[in-house]
Amino acid sequence: DQQVKQNSPSLSVQEGRISILNCDYTNSMFDYFLWYKKYPAEGPTFLISISSIKDKNEDGRFTVFLNKSAKHLSLHIVPSQPGDSAVYFCAGCKETSGSRLTFGEGTQLTVNP
Amino acid sequence: DTGVSQDPRHKITKRGQNVTFRCDPISEHNRLYWYRQTLGQGPEFLTYFQNEAQLEKSRLLSDRFSAERPKGSFSTLEIQRTEQGDSAMYLCASSLAKGMSFWDEQFFGPGTRLTVL
Repeated sequence: DQQVKQNSPSLSVQEGRISILNCDYTNSMFDYFLWYKKYPAEGPTFLISISSIKDKNEDGRFTVFLNKSAKHLSLHIVPSQPGDSAVYFCAGCKETSGSRLTFGEGTQLTVNP
Repeated sequence: DTGVSQDPRHKITKRGQNVTFRCDPISEHNRLYWYRQTLGQGPEFLTYFQNEAQLEKSRLLSDRFSAERPKGSFSTLEIQRTEQGDSAMYLCASSLAKGMSFWDEQFFGPGTRLTVL
C-alpha cells in the first residue's frame, strides 16, 4: 500500500530556473507533509513542511503547495542552484502516530550550471 | 559533531549470521526511529521509541528483528539469521517530542549499509 507516491524518478533543470517536484498521497489522515533532501552518503535532512490545514508554506527559495482535494503536493524551488542537486523525498505523518514518517520513492533533482 | 551517529557505516555479512547496529541520537532527543531504505525506494518505518519504551513496530519488523533503547539513550537494532532480502540501508533518526499531539522534526543519521551475501 503505497500511501505516498512520487511518480517522477528524476528531474533535470537549468540553474536559475524553477524546479517543481510533485507528490501524490492516498491517506487523508495525514496531518503534516514534509519534504526531505538527501545527498549521497548522508541521511535525509528536513527541508520544509506544511500542515494539512494550509495550502501553502514558503521558506526562502522553497515553497510547498498542498491541494487536498486532489491529494497532491508540490515543492517549488526558485531559483534552482547546482547545490540543490539531490534526492528529494516527500513524506506524510500523523500527529497521533508518534510522527512516524511515510515516505515516497524520491525524485533525483539535477540542476545543471 | 552533535548530530545523529550510526555505527558501523557498512556491514557485509553472510546469510544466516546475526548483525547488530548502533545509533546514538542527539543527546536531548527523547524519540528515536529506525527506518530501512532499499534501492530506488524511500525510507520505510520500522519502529520507534519514546525514551526507553518501544511504542510502535511496523509489520516489516519480523521476529528476526529486535530493537532496544536501554536507558533512553542509544539504540541497537539486531537482525538474527540474516537473509539476502535484509540487504538495505538502515537509517536512524531522533527528535524532540514536545507532546503527543505535535509534529517534531526528525534528524537522520548517515545510515548503516548492510549487504548480506
